[in-house]
Amino acid sequence: QQPVQSPQAVILREGEDAVINCSSSKALYSVHWYRQKHGEAPVFLMILLKGGEQKGHEKISASFNEKKQQSSLYLTASQLSYSGTYFCGTANNNAGNMLTFGGGTRLMVKP
Amino acid sequence: GAVVSQHPSRVICKSGTSVKIECRSLDFQATTMFWYRQFPKQSLMLMATSNEGSKATYEQGVEKDKFLINHASLTLSTLTVTSAHPEDSSFYICSAEIGRSTSTDTQYFGPGTRLTVL
Repeated sequence: QQPVQSPQAVILREGEDAVINCSSSKALYSVHWYRQKHGEAPVFLMILLKGGEQKGHEKISASFNEKKQQSSLYLTASQLSYSGTYFCGTANNNAGNMLTFGGGTRLMVKP
Repeated sequence: GAVVSQHPSRVICKSGTSVKIECRSLDFQATTMFWYRQFPKQSLMLMATSNEGSKATYEQGVEKDKFLINHASLTLSTLTVTSAHPEDSSFYICSAEIGRSTSTDTQYFGPGTRLTVL
């Protein structure tokens, strides 16, 4: 079953912060975050593994709450280049690498 | 980072013809590759999992006789859309994984192929 992402869309001014959530009805083993720009392939951002870890990459970080079966992506001091559609991909176990992707969150950063 | 290429990037064909899309891992070997389909403003829908040297595993609702997948080597998987029809028009994306086929390894995506069937 497809994970649910929220919000579906968000518009920010440059420098503002945003949070994107990804929730699953099933237990999660790992959560993978990607960003896709229009007409291009998704680009890998980070993986979070079971164990409730947090990760960060410059001003983009994420957390994984396995009890709540959800992950959140935090965009701090957003830049114009952050615009795109963010997808979370979830794996429910460690057998194989099949991911189920959420519906996506469209983020637009304006000057 | 890992590089995955796809060819062609765009293809326009007539209804009833077959189209082959190639997916290559350029700087790593990929035991497993995945084929996705994406409609405008929608999510990635997994079509099939392609394993080198064995038959592909298709997701429910995907016709294996229509979408032929061949994973002949550790760096190449092909998707052939047979007898294409306008409803097959879509953005097809492949991905490849590095690692031992566990969910701790991520997938690296190709640039996608835009298929338009007239």
